[in-house]
Amino acid sequence: GAVVSQHPSRVICKSGTSVKIECRSLDFQATTMFWYRQFPKKSLMLMATSNEGSKATYEQGVEKDKFLINHASLTLSTLTVTSAHPEDSSFYICSARAHYNEQFFGPGTRLTVL
Amino acid sequence: AQKITQTQPGMFVQEKEAVTLDCTYDTSDPSYGLFWYKQPSSGEMIFLIYQGSYDQQNATEGRYSLNFQKARKSANLVISASQLGDSAMYFCAMREGRNTGNQFYFGTGTSLTVIP
Repeated sequence: GAVVSQHPSRVICKSGTSVKIECRSLDFQATTMFWYRQFPKKSLMLMATSNEGSKATYEQGVEKDKFLINHASLTLSTLTVTSAHPEDSSFYICSARAHYNEQFFGPGTRLTVL
Repeated sequence: AQKITQTQPGMFVQEKEAVTLDCTYDTSDPSYGLFWYKQPSSGEMIFLIYQGSYDQQNATEGRYSLNFQKARKSANLVISASQLGDSAMYFCAMREGRNTGNQFYFGTGTSLTVIP
């Protein structure tokens, strides 16, 4: 099946710094990628939908200036958590939509902000 | 209203026994897809099984089967012959519409523990 990777898998950073998370589709082109956030023992919450070459669509309550999304190519979308604070600590998961329309999830990135 | 409801935060099952994880959904779209994912402690979302709203028969994938009751809007996951490796979080999800690129709506999950 199609493969989606995320980098890094884990990141620890100091409060106030920015962190970039990459989501790559390894063997297919993804016109659309989705970014989810998951708190411990909670469900996945959609943050934003990222379309290649256009601005991301953010869900209600998600700060677009806080969570910058760039989908510059058909195989890469990045989520940048700007000026991270401890409350941004979470598990971030992306999914990528293949040209034949099925979606595949990445393995997730665990962010810890000290 | 919640799109997906999972009412069992935690479940225990004896090894080799069968277990049913409940899921109900809410949509007015006649076309939708229902999914079950397994999430072990490593965090990755592992696809288990899919049921389309127009599928006449219940989906089955190895030890997994989906008890699809359209009138009741339920899509329960049945795991037969439970194994210790089945211990994980299980999420029910729905995708509305015919476009398979649409977003997923996830339930709150059920934590399954298989007891030796």
